[in-house]
Amino acid sequence: NAGVTQTPKFQVLKTGQSMTLQCAQDMNHNSMYWYRQDPGMGLRLIYYSASEGTTDKGEVPNGYNVSRLNKREFSLRLESAAPSQTSVYFCASSDDRGLAEQYFGPGTRLTVT
Amino acid sequence: AQSVTQLGSHVSVSEGALVLLRCNYSSSVPPYLFWYVQYPNQGLQLLLKYTSAATLVKGINGFEAEFKKSETSFHLTKPSAHMSDAAEYFCAVSEGNQGGKLIFGQGTELSVKP
Repeated sequence: NAGVTQTPKFQVLKTGQSMTLQCAQDMNHNSMYWYRQDPGMGLRLIYYSASEGTTDKGEVPNGYNVSRLNKREFSLRLESAAPSQTSVYFCASSDDRGLAEQYFGPGTRLTVT
Repeated sequence: AQSVTQLGSHVSVSEGALVLLRCNYSSSVPPYLFWYVQYPNQGLQLLLKYTSAATLVKGINGFEAEFKKSETSFHLTKPSAHMSDAAEYFCAVSEGNQGGKLIFGQGTELSVKP
């Protein structure tokens, strides 16, 4: 099993450009999440999806959109990138049978200039 | 609303010394609590989790944590630090009944001196 995979690993964008971060999991989990990690701020939830076909905003959703394409895949889109979106982005998934342990991907390091 | 506070953004210990990383939480419902570790340029890995079965929880790599409801704490300890323990550690709390959303603390970077 690959677990949670993310592409790309690194990306540099200019202000105003758009891009989609891809995430896939092979653990048959219902729930998937997108976080951003910034120094001194821990991980902050951007969006999550409790099941296929549903998405909900997290703590910092502004400037992002998501798509839960199917049970395996959950993508994060930046429509018009801003320097404030420079961060490391992590995707995670979990089995929602009560314990809510999350499994994380390796991350995407995004720089917006 | 739930929240997590980790005391100390940086902790430095000598190899062989006790590791103590502090975490306090706020929750209106019985919490699920987690400690994750992040090695440089990697994603997060679960160290251990508290799910109300036992207050002292043992995890991987010799780490353990004790849930103290009266102190709203879930501190992480290891009796003897190893160089390979150098990493960033995150405490997190879950609402438990909403698809597993986690609220993370700010993180504590652990350095281990030879």
